Order: sequence, then structure tokens, then C-alpha cells
Amino acid sequence: SQQGEEDPQALSIQEGENATMNCSYKTSINNLQWYRQNSGRGLVHLILIRSNEREKHSGRLRVTLDTSKKSSSLLITASRAADTASYFCATDTQGGSEKLVFGKGMKLTVNP
Amino acid sequence: KAGVTQTPRYLIKTRGQQVTLSCSPISGHRSVSWYQQTPGQGLQFLFEYFSETQRNKGNFPGRFSGRQFSNSRSEMNVSTLELGDSALYLCASSLQQRGGLNTGELFFGEGSRLTVL
Repeated sequence: SQQGEEDPQALSIQEGENATMNCSYKTSINNLQWYRQNSGRGLVHLILIRSNEREKHSGRLRVTLDTSKKSSSLLITASRAADTASYFCATDTQGGSEKLVFGKGMKLTVNP
Repeated sequence: KAGVTQTPRYLIKTRGQQVTLSCSPISGHRSVSWYQQTPGQGLQFLFEYFSETQRNKGNFPGRFSGRQFSNSRSEMNVSTLELGDSALYLCASSLQQRGGLNTGELFFGEGSRLTVL
């Protein structure tokens, strides 16, 4: 079952623009992670934000977490064609569950 | 350090056959998880192993099974294949302590793409 839901499901932008993806989840979490997947390849970890953190930066990535709204956003600034990929949020739930639950993903296309 | 290695990368089987997929985690990683990815269902958790013990299992029928060896390498097996088993099977390893919550990142392999005809 999906815990996270990314929104929008697809986004097409021009190089240099910013891309914002949102993720909503249902149950309390320990942390939330974002992953990227190039077509048909494995997933690559981008960033992890813990439940007691509100914002985190990594290079051109900015992640926010609002546990009261059970939502997170991923901002990619100054996008590049190489950022074209699918992006997934993943959560691990509180209570000892030792697995990550992924959303269905969002397809980002950055046009040169 | 070598990444997660999955073999084979591509395979084609027919209905009713069985398949075994292999995963070698990153050296030192003791946790291995398996996911099935399809266009319709997205990424679905299959199971997770730590030190040869299955710690967590997803909602898949008993035809899906796995195991982990003492060197942390893992295999998953699907018996009596169905058309709906066609998918990308992803293995991921993580550096995780026994009994600890999964708070770390997963390192994924490139996947094994299974086509069932």
C-alpha cells in the first residue's frame, strides 16, 4: 500500500526554472526521504529529513516537512535537463516497522 | 566501494516457470530489501532481510520468497510465474543495526527486469 502520494504526478518545465514536488502521507513517521529514478534504472537517494526537522538543504535541493499537515515538499532550483527523472518520496512509519513505503512517483521533464 | 549488484539484469520467462534473482549488497551492509516496481502499482515492498532473518514481509502471495546468506547476499524466488509478475525487481541494501528502526537511506541496484510471456 502507498503511504506517500506525490503531487503533481507529472511536471514539465524549462531549464533554469524551479521545480516543486509535494508529498502527502497518512501515518506518523520517523523520517521522510526523497529518491530519484532515471528511466528503468535503480533509485538514487537524494535527501532525508527527520520528523523533528522542518527544512533541509543539499546543493540545489530544498526539502521541507510539515508533520502537522503530514506533507513534504522537494524544491529543485535552477533545474537542468539532467534533472529529468521520476521522483519518489518514501516514509518509514513509527512503531518499529523496518521498511520504507514509497509513493507512486512524479515524472519531471526539464526541457533544454 | 562497489554498489549493489543485481543479476540477471533482464530475463524472459513463460507462465508457470520459476525464477531466481540475486542481489549482492554493498560491502558491510547487512540489511537487504526487495521491491517490485510496475507501472500500475508503483514500488511495492516485498521483504527485508537482516543477518539471514526475514524481518518484514509485504503483501505478496507465497509464490514470492527470499533468503539471505551469511555473506549478506540475497536471493528472491518467484514460483509458478504469472503474467502480472512482469516487473522491475529492485534490491536495496542499507547499513542498519539489528533491532534498529530503518532510519537510513537505501542503496538500490539497477534492478532485474522480468518479462513473463
